Amino acid sequence: ETGVTQSPTHLIKTRGQQVTLRCSSQSGHNTVSWYQQALGQGPQFIFQYYREEENGRGNFPPRFSGLQFPNYSSELNVNALELDDSALYLCASSGRGGDNEQFFGPGTRLTVL
Amino acid sequence: AQSVTQLDSHVSVSEGTPVLLRCNYSSSYSPSLFWYVQHPNKGLQLLLKYTSAATLVKGINGFEAEFKKSETSFHLTKPSAHMSDAAEYFCVVSDRTSGTYKYIFGTGTRLKVLA
Repeated sequence: ETGVTQSPTHLIKTRGQQVTLRCSSQSGHNTVSWYQQALGQGPQFIFQYYREEENGRGNFPPRFSGLQFPNYSSELNVNALELDDSALYLCASSGRGGDNEQFFGPGTRLTVL
Repeated sequence: AQSVTQLDSHVSVSEGTPVLLRCNYSSSYSPSLFWYVQHPNKGLQLLLKYTSAATLVKGINGFEAEFKKSETSFHLTKPSAHMSDAAEYFCVVSDRTSGTYKYIFGTGTRLKVLA
């Protein structure tokens, strides 16, 4: 069973640029959630995708957007990057339901200069 | 709204002594609670979860947590710390408002284990 994978591992961008982060969910999981973890903080919920549709969103502006594909993999897109977007971005996959454990990928470290 | 509060940002213990990481929760319904560990430059790993079954939950690597509704607490313990336990620990509550099953994380507790 393959776990959750994310790419790239690290990324450096400049302010105003756009970035796409990718996540492959664990086999059998149909729900993907994205979190932002700023340095020294706990992860913050960005949004969740279930069966290719956004299924809830945290307190993040519209320049954070996403997609989920038929194979349940997912992308996180961030437009007009700001310095404060520098963080570790975590993807988690799960089955449907609040009792289901979310399995996290290793994350993508984004640095915005 | 669901929330968790981790009462200590840093905890230091000597190797071989007990570990106690404290977490209080707030929930408008019976919560699902989790403890995750994050080692440097690694992803989050589940230690244990409470989902309204037994109030004393046993996890991996000798960790356990007790759900106390009267105290709204879910503290993480381990009888004897090992050097490899040094990491960041997060208490998490699952928020299932409006059909979205998202995690609400605490601010984390950094555990330091002294030789």
